[in-house]
Amino acid sequence: GAGVSQTPSNKVTEKGKYVELRCDPISGHTALYWYRQSLGQGPEFLIYFQGTGAADDSGLPNDRFFAVRPEGSVSTLKIQRTERGDSAVYLCASSISGGALSGTGELFFGEGSRLTVL
Amino acid sequence: QQQVKQSPQSLIVQKGGISIINCAYENTAFDYFPWYQQFPGKGPALLIAIRPDVSEKKEGRFTISFNKSAKQFSLHIMDSQPGDSATYFCAAGTYSGAGSYQLTFGKGTKLSVIP
Repeated sequence: GAGVSQTPSNKVTEKGKYVELRCDPISGHTALYWYRQSLGQGPEFLIYFQGTGAADDSGLPNDRFFAVRPEGSVSTLKIQRTERGDSAVYLCASSISGGALSGTGELFFGEGSRLTVL
Repeated sequence: QQQVKQSPQSLIVQKGGISIINCAYENTAFDYFPWYQQFPGKGPALLIAIRPDVSEKKEGRFTISFNKSAKQFSLHIMDSQPGDSATYFCAAGTYSGAGSYQLTFGKGTKLSVIP
């Protein structure tokens, strides 16, 4: 597709379970970001990949959260031992250049994965 | 600590009127200020952005005004239309030196344009 694709669009799980959320960025975009958006709030930065490596994971709230991007394209956000407070929309975004403030610096967001932890 | 404060939380404007949304930031290291538009069930989409070396940027009906000394910036939507009804987020970005270009978002403003 032409845009950032995220699956699943909705995920309901029970407290304590493990969850994986997938992001397929725009082809050719080397930078990939994960954000979390709670109800009534703006997106909150979680982690940034440049290629295969996590260049900045300072936004991950704790060690239950982990993300990978093994081949520099698709990324998976993994949440262990889910808690009710993890309920939110998890947004993935990609851009052509994630580093320098060049050109537009525009982030292209997917529609998000809505996670509900019961 | 909220680094980007956005107001108002909600806004109702008559069709054809001017919508104004304000943001203030604290961190003087921010050097990129975009506005994103989000429709229900969709991800945010870039609307317009400004860098601190200019005080105003206009694209069609959308204008950003930027006041570096006051650390404030605002979005003006001229001739507001019902199709502009959405949630608007201001953001501030900084190059962290780790190759990361991070955006810190405001809490959003829900705009309703009534016919």
